[in-house]
Amino acid sequence: SQTIHQWPATLVQPVGSPLSLECTVEGTSNPNLYWYRQAAGRGLQLLFYSVGIGQISSEVPQNLSASRPQDRQFILSSKKLLLSDSGFYLCAWSVRTSGYTGELFFGEGSRLTVL
Amino acid sequence: AQSVAQPEDQVNVAEGNPLTVKCTYSVSGNPYLFWYVQYPNRGLQFLLKYITGDNLVKGSYGFEAEFNKSQTSFHLKKPSALVSDSALYFCAVRVPDQTGANNLFFGTGTRLTVIP
Repeated sequence: SQTIHQWPATLVQPVGSPLSLECTVEGTSNPNLYWYRQAAGRGLQLLFYSVGIGQISSEVPQNLSASRPQDRQFILSSKKLLLSDSGFYLCAWSVRTSGYTGELFFGEGSRLTVL
Repeated sequence: AQSVAQPEDQVNVAEGNPLTVKCTYSVSGNPYLFWYVQYPNRGLQFLLKYITGDNLVKGSYGFEAEFNKSQTSFHLKKPSALVSDSALYFCAVRVPDQTGANNLFFGTGTRLTVIP
């Protein structure tokens, strides 16, 4: 079966420090990968998605970047964190097939607090 | 562009009573609609989806949802609420395309509280 792992689960960082959140998927190949941010425990905002290694699409301009160095690895980064980067970050994967009708599968999330 | 609206931030219901969490959508094309549930400090768990076919969709934990094309709605329902159903519920929409991106766009969430 497929599993998705995110780490770290919790992170407290000072303003201006770098960030690296990692997500890996097991049990599947060629997945689509996604990073969402959830602010204040409510709505989810799609930050980045990837349909293949090295292919990153950004949905919103921001202080963050994403990379996909391997097929099942998705990394969210920042060179200098801002207070507004605080939030709950969720990684997700889906099958990569044109016309796929199924759902996204989410990790357990990484809570980032920027002080 | 596609979007979903969840008009209620909070829904309170007594245990044993039926519950409804509302969702309306706006898309250009035939939508794929989803419901997810989130417990505190956890990821999202898939409940059910509508792709095509029967307008009444049954999902996990006794939940069901009714697709209404004329009202562009996809309300989540359960005949008898449990205290353990208390959580944050998200409606999401996707319009099928050929890119394979499968991006889901989420509503702002509705917090359901089931009162014992």
